[in-house]
Amino acid sequence: GAVVSQHPSRVICKSGTSVKIECRSLDFQATTMFWYRQFPKQSLMLMATSNEGSKATYEQGVEKDKFLINHASLTLSTLTVTSAHPEDSSFYICSARGRFGSGNTIYFGEGSWLTVV
Amino acid sequence: GESVGLHLPTLSVQEGDNSIINCAYSNSASDYFIWYKQESGKGPQFIIDIRSNMDKRQGQRVTVLLNKTVKHLSLQIAATQPGDSAVYFCAENMGGSSNTGKLIFGQGTTLQVKP
Repeated sequence: GAVVSQHPSRVICKSGTSVKIECRSLDFQATTMFWYRQFPKQSLMLMATSNEGSKATYEQGVEKDKFLINHASLTLSTLTVTSAHPEDSSFYICSARGRFGSGNTIYFGEGSWLTVV
Repeated sequence: GESVGLHLPTLSVQEGDNSIINCAYSNSASDYFIWYKQESGKGPQFIIDIRSNMDKRQGQRVTVLLNKTVKHLSLQIAATQPGDSAVYFCAENMGGSSNTGKLIFGQGTTLQVKP
């Protein structure tokens, strides 16, 4: 079946540095991918919509200059957390919408744990 | 504004019993809903979905019920097993009548299955 892969699954970075998380659709083309953030024991919160070949659309309250999103191909979207701070430590999850038959199915990645120290 | 919420944060059931997890949504224009299971440290796993032109949909051991009148969604798990222990989220497609892929997630219900 369709798979969405995230890399890295876990990353630790120092405050002030930037870290990149990749989201790949492995066996289907995804014109649209989504990035979510999840704090421990909380729900998923949509951060932004990543559109292949165009700028990402950010949800209200999400800093676009801090969370840079690039969707350069139909199978890859990247989220870069710039100038990371400890409060950015979270579980980041991507999803991809693939078109199968007459419907659009949404697939989630396994998530990436970010710890900023 | 739009919101999707769950009534109970934790549900504890005995192995073999049936589980019912509830969800309320507020956008009456939404027409696509999904239930996800999330195990600790993992991404959400699709369980079952339903469109607003249906009021019931069944899968393997799971049934989703949709009551559009009161904007209520429920997930029923038959013969609950220890492997069903996880956090369950309902999600509502943002964008009303079109499947945009953007989802609003409810707060989640932790299902604990006692052996």
